[in-house]
Amino acid sequence: DGGITQSPKYLFRKEGQNVTLSCEQNLNHDAMYWYRQDPGQGLRLIYYSQIVNDFQKGDIAEGYSVSREKKESFPLTVTSAQKNPTAFYLCASRADRAINSPLHFGNGTRLTVT
Amino acid sequence: QKEVEQDPGPLSVPEGAIVSLNCTYSNSAFQYFMWYRQYSRKGPELLMYTYSSGNKEDGRFTAQVDKSSKYISLFIRDSQPSDSATYLCASPNAGGTSYGKLTFGQGTILTVHP
Repeated sequence: DGGITQSPKYLFRKEGQNVTLSCEQNLNHDAMYWYRQDPGQGLRLIYYSQIVNDFQKGDIAEGYSVSREKKESFPLTVTSAQKNPTAFYLCASRADRAINSPLHFGNGTRLTVT
Repeated sequence: QKEVEQDPGPLSVPEGAIVSLNCTYSNSAFQYFMWYRQYSRKGPELLMYTYSSGNKEDGRFTAQVDKSSKYISLFIRDSQPSDSATYLCASPNAGGTSYGKLTFGQGTILTVHP
């Protein structure tokens, strides 16, 4: 079955620690995305990557970093500089550049920082 | 002002009711509009998309766009408890450095009770 796998499903960290969220896809999609979802705010774009070894900041990139060393993988690191890291994080991919090409989402990682 | 605004609800209706979910948008460049459905603790999945003005029907679901008033609607006929989810409207940014970016509304939480 093709799809996007995010792990772990739940993650707990202490304040001040960096944490890396995993995202793997076997859909052979070039483009991958990270969104953050908070109650009442919808989805906000953190970073996206159109191709291996290239990525761009989204609307709320501060305190986050990414890498894209392989087509299948797009890990997100939440650094200690992110002031409100507790959220639901969603990874997505997209098949092509057509404007109506939909995003395919993973099932998310819920990060809690205390 | 958010580019896409959506009433977060929550909305609670009895089984069999007709449900109307609505969004407004401010960016006149938006041409495609998508509705995603998100079950609890899952990633969003594409439900429908529509282009510019007019209606699009798929089973019990109808998506409607009114470009003159910048209004997007999703109607659900004969609603079922399995329709209980968060519904997100979204529109893609066209080209340039915003490749593939979707702008989402806040999402409306719908509960259909038996």
